[in-house]
Amino acid sequence: DQQVKQNSPSLSVQEGRISILNCDYTNSMFDYFLWYKKYPAEGPTFLISISSIKDKNEDGRFTVFLNKSAKHLSLHIVPSQPGDSAVYFCAASMEYGNKLVFGAGTILRVKS
Amino acid sequence: EAQVTQNPRYLITVTGKKLTVTCSQNMNHEYMSWYRQDPGLGLRQIYYSMNVEVTDKGDVPEGYKVSRKEKRNFPLILESPSPNQTSLYFCASSATGLYGYTFGSGTRLTVV
Repeated sequence: DQQVKQNSPSLSVQEGRISILNCDYTNSMFDYFLWYKKYPAEGPTFLISISSIKDKNEDGRFTVFLNKSAKHLSLHIVPSQPGDSAVYFCAASMEYGNKLVFGAGTILRVKS
Repeated sequence: EAQVTQNPRYLITVTGKKLTVTCSQNMNHEYMSWYRQDPGLGLRQIYYSMNVEVTDKGDVPEGYKVSRKEKRNFPLILESPSPNQTSLYFCASSATGLYGYTFGSGTRLTVV
């Protein structure tokens, strides 16, 4: 049973528009959430994170929102750029990062 | 350059032939971890280590062994590989575990 779910396998967005990637989790003990980006033939790279005591965290074009009551988080990319085309993984942790649980990933395609 | 180095990048082997995938980091990180990536399942943790000589099982440890004799190295050992261990493997390290892990470029293993 997957504790972290990314229900959209893929997403296609026009350049300049907003990309919204969603993630749901089932374990209420998770207290830290991260997003990773992965290009083909490379390892995942850390993008942005949020602690469970916050509901929003921004870093440039990237914003992560956390809704604890709904056990849902989302990553907003504004404006989307062709270089953002990649696989995005949502991850959650309940042990200060010792054990990260990942979702299945969402392939984002930004069309120019 | 700060990095996690995995070797080999690609490996094709036969069932039952012992193999080792090496992982080395040059960032003096305490935490290290091994993941496997499979379609539709995302990244699943195999083993992790919080320090030298301290290792613990992740979600899918069966068929794998690890050791952490030095801080910088965390090899993954498959004593008797089977076809269901065909996967893309990633090693990762982190200073604190909190702000995410730095991943290696991956090892694509095929067991025939």
